[in-house]
Amino acid sequence: SQTIHQWPATLVQPVGSPLSLECTVEGTSNPNLYWYRQAAGRGLQLLFYSVGIGQISSEVPQNLSASRPQDRQFILSSKKLLLSDSGFYLCAWSVRRRRENSPLHFGNGTRLTVT
Amino acid sequence: SQQGEEDPQALSIQEGENATMNCSYKTSINNLQWYRQNSGRGLVHLILIRSNEREKHSGRLRVTLDTSKKSSSLLITASRAADTASYFCATDAEYGNKLVFGAGTILRVKS
Repeated sequence: SQTIHQWPATLVQPVGSPLSLECTVEGTSNPNLYWYRQAAGRGLQLLFYSVGIGQISSEVPQNLSASRPQDRQFILSSKKLLLSDSGFYLCAWSVRRRRENSPLHFGNGTRLTVT
Repeated sequence: SQQGEEDPQALSIQEGENATMNCSYKTSINNLQWYRQNSGRGLVHLILIRSNEREKHSGRLRVTLDTSKKSSSLLITASRAADTASYFCATDAEYGNKLVFGAGTILRVKS
């Protein structure tokens, strides 16, 4: 069966510090991978998605970046965190289909607080 | 802008009652999906309905889709305290590879 691992679960970082969140998927190949951010009491904002190694699409201009060094590994990074980067970060994967978006499978999220 | 918007923002009902949540969207879609999120956790996929389908059932869940009105509803029958969660609809804003989520409905089921 497929599983998704996301860590750390919680993180408190000072403004201006770097960030690295990691997500890995097991039990599937060639998944689509996603990073979403959720502000408190709000919906999900798509940050990045990837359809393959080294292929990253950015949805929102900001000081965050994403990389996919391996097929089932997705990393969210920042060189210098801002207060506005605080939030709940969710990684997700889906089966790649040609003509429709398949269901997303989410990790348990990382609660990031920038102080 | 968000593709899907849920209504109501919050809903509080007694155990055993039915809960209905609505979702409206703006552009053509291939499919619409509903998810549940327990507090502090990731989202869990509940049901997917395609644009050529009008109704779909899964256990106590019933989803309808009206493409002419660009709206969908999620009905949870005989609700339980364990159904307490946030519920989101998600649509593919354009062909391929990404879903856009609404702001969600917070459901509280009181026992």
